[in-house]
Amino acid sequence: QKEVEQNSGPLSVPEGAIASLNCTYSDRVSQSFFWYRQYSGKSPELIMSIYSNGDKEDGRFTAQLNKASQYVSLLIRDSQPSDSATYLCAVNPNRRGYNKLIFGAGTRLAVHP
Amino acid sequence: GAVVSQHPSRVICKSGTSVKIECRSLDFQATTMFWYRQFPKQSLMLMATSNEGSKATYEQGVEKDKFLINHASLTLSTLTVTSAHPEDSSFYICSARIGTSGGSETQYFGPGTRLLVL
Repeated sequence: QKEVEQNSGPLSVPEGAIASLNCTYSDRVSQSFFWYRQYSGKSPELIMSIYSNGDKEDGRFTAQLNKASQYVSLLIRDSQPSDSATYLCAVNPNRRGYNKLIFGAGTRLAVHP
Repeated sequence: GAVVSQHPSRVICKSGTSVKIECRSLDFQATTMFWYRQFPKQSLMLMATSNEGSKATYEQGVEKDKFLINHASLTLSTLTVTSAHPEDSSFYICSARIGTSGGSETQYFGPGTRLLVL
């Protein structure tokens, strides 16, 4: 089992719709969770961080964390073609002696006009 | 947000030469920086963790003598690919961590360096 799992996609949504990206993680004690967006040929860009159970909203983006079920999701409202990119879920297990991000393989999102 | 720069953005070199890549945190101090490599259509692969003033910690399978890392100051880490070969051609990305562990630490990525070894 991979430590951080994401559906590779592509996830195709029409412009204006809600895109829902999901991520599950295996280490139950993980405390820090991040979503990065990576355009083709570019480096990852931080979109959201979340540390507590529940929802965290920032503009059109909402991150959701459920530690009991070990999943974190990202919702993108009013999707735009410019949102087309690969979205990387990253988890920091915050284990003693291991303070690094573990990345999922990423979900490719395609927003079509 | 925090800004991380990398130089050069793109480099082409001959096989057998060495290439140095710089990673700088521009508006914050980073005691820890990370070096990643990404091949086309693959995910990020962590190569090593660079700690200011101490030796880097390499991930399993990454040759420390081939990928030399120096973190001489709180704002600069360098990665040197020694005796580069075509299979080292890749997208090298650094990140710098801000914040304290177990709390609000966040990694910010540099723009990446695309290396092509001929």
